[in-house]
Amino acid sequence: SQTIHQWPATLVQPVGSPLSLECTVEGTSNPNLYWYRQAAGRGLQLLFYSVGIGQISSEVPQNLSASRPQDRQFILSSKKLLLSDSGFYLCAWSGIGGNIQYFGAGTRLSVL
Amino acid sequence: RKEVEQDPGPFNVPEGATVAFNCTYSNSASQSFFWYRQDCRKEPKLLMSVYSSGNEDGRFTAQLNRASQYISLLIRDSKLSDSATYLCVVNLDNAGNMLTFGGGTRLMVKP
Repeated sequence: SQTIHQWPATLVQPVGSPLSLECTVEGTSNPNLYWYRQAAGRGLQLLFYSVGIGQISSEVPQNLSASRPQDRQFILSSKKLLLSDSGFYLCAWSGIGGNIQYFGAGTRLSVL
Repeated sequence: RKEVEQDPGPFNVPEGATVAFNCTYSNSASQSFFWYRQDCRKEPKLLMSVYSSGNEDGRFTAQLNRASQYISLLIRDSKLSDSATYLCVVNLDNAGNMLTFGGGTRLMVKP
């Protein structure tokens, strides 16, 4: 069966520090991968998605970036965090041509 | 107009009640529709897909109205464990890779 892992579960970072969040998927090949952010009490905002290694599409211009160095690995990064980067970051995957997305447990980021 | 719109609630209902949520979407070409459930401080999880003919899963019934561009979720015999936020989700791109999430409707079931 397929599983998706995200870490860390929680993170507290000072303003201006770098960020690296990792997501890996097991049990499937060539998944579509997604990064979302959910601000407190708000809906999900799609940040990036990827349909293959090295292929990244950005939905929202900001100081975040994403990379897909391996088929089942998706990384969200920032060189310098802003206060507004605080939120709940969720990684998700879907199968080729499939619509249903399955989410990791998420990372709760607080930028102070 | 938001692409996927939901009443944020909260809907406060007693145990055993029947409650219904609606969701409207803007793109008439949308092909796929889902309801996800999100518990407090947790990730969203698929509750059910919504088919053109409607579908039922135990106490949960989902309906699609393409003409009016809305989907609904009916929960019968509410349980305390149904308390959560329910997200309406629609695919808005032709390739089917992209989903747009509504802001969610919060349900609180009281004893």
